[in-house]
Amino acid sequence: DIQMTQSPSVLSASVGDRVTLNCKASQNINKYLNWYQQKLGEAPKLLIYNTNNLQTGIPSRFSGSGSGTDFTLTISSLQPEDFATYFCFQHNSWPGTFGGGTKLELK
Amino acid sequence: QVTLKESGPGILQPSQTLSLTCTFSGFSLSTYGMGVGWIRQPSGKGLEWLANIWWDDDKYYNPSLKNRLTISKDTSNNQAFLKITNVDTADTATYYCARLAYLGGYFDYWGQGVMVTVSS
Repeated sequence: DIQMTQSPSVLSASVGDRVTLNCKASQNINKYLNWYQQKLGEAPKLLIYNTNNLQTGIPSRFSGSGSGTDFTLTISSLQPEDFATYFCFQHNSWPGTFGGGTKLELK
Repeated sequence: QVTLKESGPGILQPSQTLSLTCTFSGFSLSTYGMGVGWIRQPSGKGLEWLANIWWDDDKYYNPSLKNRLTISKDTSNNQAFLKITNVDTADTATYYCARLAYLGGYFDYWGQGVMVTVSS
């Protein structure tokens, strides 16, 4: 199975900050990396698919980049509603695997 | 509008079989390229993919649980199902069903989740 490692596990930031979340795959996953946002008690929400494609309805302050084994999610200017946990997910090969998550908390 | 909703027993005892139902709308599992998957999340922990079923009845299972999982669908009633046999406390989790994007391998819409507790 492909292991997905997210860093940091916790990120403290302020409203208006630019933040970068990282996701590293244990082997090449090409472009098949997605990012999800999960708020407490809610289902995950798709933000970015296939590395850098913004899901419909997601604000443009979210962006994704990377290739191969290293990927990033960037939020250009944090809004109060962005404080949540973020998971990456690879579907280059099954079983699809999730990262352990980055909790974005208010500084 | 795509919606999914999971239902399940809530609580069951070790060694029993867990049966989950996903009822969805806004798409059809008889349409080329569509699929539904199941994912679970123990409280306070990460996500684990369990199984997928596609429009053509192709099925994928997580090898770590493969022998215990059965995924199926009822296209007439817009439902997908997951059975997990011989449950134990480690199967306590919130279980989500989610739509697989058209011919894609990722989940674009998720249900709200159903909490399942395994306890004696």
